[in-house]
Amino acid sequence: QKEVEQDPGPLSVPEGAIVSLNCTYSNSAFQYFMWYRQYSRKGPELLMYTYSSGNKEDGRFTAQVDKSSKYISLFIRDSQPSDSATYLCATNRDDKIIFGKGTRLHILP
Amino acid sequence: EPEVTQTPSHQVTQMGQEVILRCVPISNHLYFYWYRQILGQKVEFLVSFYNNEISEKSEIFDDQFSVERPDGSNFTLKIRSTKLEDSAMYFCASTVNRDQPQHFGDGTRLSIL
Repeated sequence: QKEVEQDPGPLSVPEGAIVSLNCTYSNSAFQYFMWYRQYSRKGPELLMYTYSSGNKEDGRFTAQVDKSSKYISLFIRDSQPSDSATYLCATNRDDKIIFGKGTRLHILP
Repeated sequence: EPEVTQTPSHQVTQMGQEVILRCVPISNHLYFYWYRQILGQKVEFLVSFYNNEISEKSEIFDDQFSVERPDGSNFTLKIRSTKLEDSAMYFCASTVNRDQPQHFGDGTRLSIL
C-alpha cells in the first residue's frame, strides 16, 4: 500500500468555485501533514502545515485532517486562475517528507 | 522572505561524468535535504544532513552519491558517475528544526545524455 495517495487529476473548475483536494495515508504514526503547491518547473512551495486533527485556515485555504480515517483535505475558496498548479499532500516519517504524487488543478477563467 | 537557492537551474552532462549540484539553504537553518523528482513521478527523498553528517539516506542514495557542506553557506550533492536514469529535477530543502516544515528551492534540472 502506498504511504500517501492522491488522485492525480487533472481537475478543472471554473474561476470562483470552491476546490476540494484530497489525500489518504496509510500509517497512523504519521504526525505532521502538509500541503505544497508546485508550479511548472518550480520547487514545492509550502501552503499549509498541521499536526492535529481538525481544520486550519489561512486566507482562502483550509486544511483538514481526520486522523481516525487517515484522510487529508485542502479546500480553496474563491479559486483564481493563479491557483492553477499541482498540489502535493505530504506527511513526515522521522524528518523526511513523504509526498503524494500530486493533483493537477486547472482554474478556468 | 528568505529562500533556498539552487544553481545551476539546468545542467546537461554526458553519461559517466561527475556532476555537482549546489544549494544555499536559508541562513539560520540547521537541517538540509536533497530530494529528486523524475518527470511525471512523485518527489522522493534522497538524503538528510545535520551537524556535518548524513542523518538518513534512501536506497536511491548509493555510493555514486555524496553530500557536503564545504563552508557555512553551501550544501552540495555530487553524483560521481552519472547514469541516464539520474535525469530528474533535484530539489534542496532546509529547515530550522525537525518539527518545522521544510522549505524547498526551485530545483536543478539534470539532463544526462
